[in-house]
Amino acid sequence: AQKVTQAQTEISVVEKEDVTLDCVYETRDTTYYLFWYKQPPSGELVFLIRRNSFDEQNEISGRYSWNFQKSTSSFNFTITASQVVDSAVYFCALRRSGGGADGLTFGKGTHLIIQP
Amino acid sequence: DADVTQTPRNRITKTGKRIMLECSQTKGHDRMYWYRQDPGLGLRLIYYSFDVKDINKGEISDGYSVSRQAQAKFSLSLESAIPNQTALYFCATSDVGTAYQETQYFGPGTRLLVL
Repeated sequence: AQKVTQAQTEISVVEKEDVTLDCVYETRDTTYYLFWYKQPPSGELVFLIRRNSFDEQNEISGRYSWNFQKSTSSFNFTITASQVVDSAVYFCALRRSGGGADGLTFGKGTHLIIQP
Repeated sequence: DADVTQTPRNRITKTGKRIMLECSQTKGHDRMYWYRQDPGLGLRLIYYSFDVKDINKGEISDGYSVSRQAQAKFSLSLESAIPNQTALYFCATSDVGTAYQETQYFGPGTRLLVL
């Protein structure tokens, strides 16, 4: 069985601080995909990034960066110089590979509050 | 126009009523999914469909049924709604094929309240 753990239920920081959201996953598969989604107060789910299990390169996109480490089964997300617009619930998710794979397994989410 | 649409966006119903939530997509994807989100629990998979003739149960399918009327349409039904089915429901789509097509794209969600 697969499992995704986001131990941080809620994080509150002041604007311009850096913040890291943790994600730890469990899977028996050797090939899988990891995702981060953002859910702003309006409720929709916005895709942020996909990482394949065979690609351990870190990724940076503007103020966002992701650190994937297979050795610790972690896929952490860092926001640099946070802004109020970053306030949202962030979900980490896992999907098996292969044609018969089913849907995403989500963590319970981390509610990020950026205070002005 | 949005690639994945859900109707209705909000719905209030009473215990015992049958209701249907609809999802349509213009992305041309073969795979479609229904999830529900409960506060503090993340999203959980209800049903998924890889094509019109393929329907599969997810983690929490009890009390729900689905219909894949066409490649672009996937409906979720609550045969006899109960209050603990109050939740935010999401439809999602993904394509078949290469790794880059594994990403699921979500609709805007339907807020359902069962009284």
